[in-house]
Amino acid sequence: NAGVTQTPKFRILKIGQSMTLQCTQDMNHNYMYWYRQDPGMGLKLIYYSVGAGITDKGEVPNGYNVSRSTTEDFPLRLELAAPSQTSVYFCASSYSVGEKLFFGSGTQLSVL
Amino acid sequence: KQEVTQIPAALSVPEGENLVLNCSFTDSAIYNLQWFRQDPGKGLTSLLLIQSSQREQTSGRLNASLDKSSGRSTLYIAASQPGDSATYLCAVRSPSGTSYGKLTFGQGTILTVHP
Repeated sequence: NAGVTQTPKFRILKIGQSMTLQCTQDMNHNYMYWYRQDPGMGLKLIYYSVGAGITDKGEVPNGYNVSRSTTEDFPLRLELAAPSQTSVYFCASSYSVGEKLFFGSGTQLSVL
Repeated sequence: KQEVTQIPAALSVPEGENLVLNCSFTDSAIYNLQWFRQDPGKGLTSLLLIQSSQREQTSGRLNASLDKSSGRSTLYIAASQPGDSATYLCAVRSPSGTSYGKLTFGQGTILTVHP
């Protein structure tokens, strides 16, 4: 079972560049999330989605955008990358708010 | 605002010991609490999920308890093994006025089990 798949695993960006982090899940989960994990800061929610066509901001949405055109895919777009966006990004999904979260393996992003 | 604290921040034990990891939260109005394991360079793996109406959950050598009134949860690991070495995180889902509630993570406990 693939679960939650994230690509790429590593990426280095220059300041001002843009990129899309891909996330796909094959568990037919309604809820999908994007988190960033910074050392000593824990995980912070960037955006989430409760179903295809429905997205909303989390705690730290500035500098990011998302879309959810299908149940399976939830890409995260970084526009005009800044050094503050250097982090490890995790995509996660769950069937509902009362169910377990399943995480992808993460994308380590450096903005230089 | 919900805050989640995990103590200790790091723990080193010899193989075979039984151990307890602690998680405390400030607001007892929660939907559920989840314990995760994170290996270096990897994503989080859900270990146990306790709904607010439950007192404990068990999976193999792992047992998690929940005391909502005191704002505490413990993860008990029996007969620890070197393969249990990882960072353990707890996360609390609380009402927040949004459709997903709000999931607040603790900072984690780094566990090292040495042979």
